[in-house]
Amino acid sequence: TQLLEQSPQFLSIQEGENLTVYCNSSSVFSSLQWYRQEPGEGPVLLVTVVTGGEVKKLKRLTFQFGDARKDSSLHITAAQTGDTGLYLCFCNQGGKLIFGQGTELSVKP
Amino acid sequence: DTGVSQDPRHKITKRGQNVTFRCDPISEHNRLYWYRQTLGQGPEFLTYFQNEAQLEKSRLLSDRFSAERPKGSFSTLEIQRTEQGDSAMYLCASSWGTGDGQFFGPGTRLTVL
Repeated sequence: TQLLEQSPQFLSIQEGENLTVYCNSSSVFSSLQWYRQEPGEGPVLLVTVVTGGEVKKLKRLTFQFGDARKDSSLHITAAQTGDTGLYLCFCNQGGKLIFGQGTELSVKP
Repeated sequence: DTGVSQDPRHKITKRGQNVTFRCDPISEHNRLYWYRQTLGQGPEFLTYFQNEAQLEKSRLLSDRFSAERPKGSFSTLEIQRTEQGDSAMYLCASSWGTGDGQFFGPGTRLTVL
């Protein structure tokens, strides 16, 4: 059973469109992180969310942590080709270090 | 500091051979992690160290896998008697503390023929 379920698994959009990806679980998180990974490279940390209901913005990226701390979303406004990559959510759940399976985003010019 | 480095970047080996990978973390970080990632999936946790102590091992880490961090600095991951199912990207990461973000190396891509 996947502790972290990400959706959609694949997303292909045109440059300039908006999108949202989701990370869900039946468990409560103490904190959750989002990473972005490009082909042939390791993941790079984007943000850590800690408080239920928290919203963090990183330029065109908006991260939200659910009120119950069981889910999170990443919204990208006006996507650019440079946003292409694998978006991963991550949690440390009682010593278990778990990544979601990722959302593969492709932004076409 | 140049970040987390891993060596080699690519390794091709024949089934049954032993392979060893090295990871050099960011020098101030006391935690070091190993993950395995296959195509289209997120990284799967293998093991982690705090300084030289190996604190957690996944069930994925069979008895053919061993990891060391002898002086609390660099780490090695050895796979004995490789199998085709071991083909994957092996990622190393480091961090200062548990709640901190992990800094990843570029990975070692292993292909077992």
